[in-house]
Amino acid sequence: DAGITQSPRHKVTETGTPVTLRCHQTENHRYMYWYRQDPGHGLRLIHYSYGVKDTDKGEVSDGYSVSRSKTEDFLLTLESATSSQTSVYFCAIRRERDQPQHFGDGTRLSIL
Amino acid sequence: DQQVKQNSPSLSVQEGRISILNCDYTNSMFDYFLWYKKYPAEGPTFLISISSIKDKNEDGRFTVFLNKSAKHLSLHIVPSQPGDSAVYFCAASEQGGGADGLTFGKGTHLIIQP
Repeated sequence: DAGITQSPRHKVTETGTPVTLRCHQTENHRYMYWYRQDPGHGLRLIHYSYGVKDTDKGEVSDGYSVSRSKTEDFLLTLESATSSQTSVYFCAIRRERDQPQHFGDGTRLSIL
Repeated sequence: DQQVKQNSPSLSVQEGRISILNCDYTNSMFDYFLWYKKYPAEGPTFLISISSIKDKNEDGRFTVFLNKSAKHLSLHIVPSQPGDSAVYFCAASEQGGGADGLTFGKGTHLIIQP
């Protein structure tokens, strides 16, 4: 296992509520990523981080924000959840640029 | 516009035979390619990768071939085993582009039949 823990693993919430997903790593890797997986789309990048307090947007960043205050934690926040954000969210980590990314087991988020 | 395409949503192969999964890409800036395997309710697991300076990389039963001129890569699994039944994702990135994430295909569901 790559030492990645995502929490919660499942969550059901209502439209308009704030939601925060957590990714915790024990590998001390520099790079961390958030992806979402939807039927017919594969995985798509939401945001990524290349160090503490250093983050940037990915392909589908609208409606999401992230924070990384320490190396081991990368938080994904939906400020006001919408039904279109119902998805499975995966966190990934990477040590260096020429290394593969390793994924957590995902958070299944349902927004009613 | 899909930059990484896996045109076969599913593939059925007999146990012991060769499985060949295909992937095409359109972005000529991609220089690092990976294959991931995914079981239901789990995260993708890294299988094998290849840099654009190579045309083949082998790891046990898994071999990835890269044809840059055709913008095509393939994953060969020999021999196929029941535990290989899973969804396989092709992914690509620009290594020189810094910390940017991976661009994934939609996946191919491989079914190994006994």
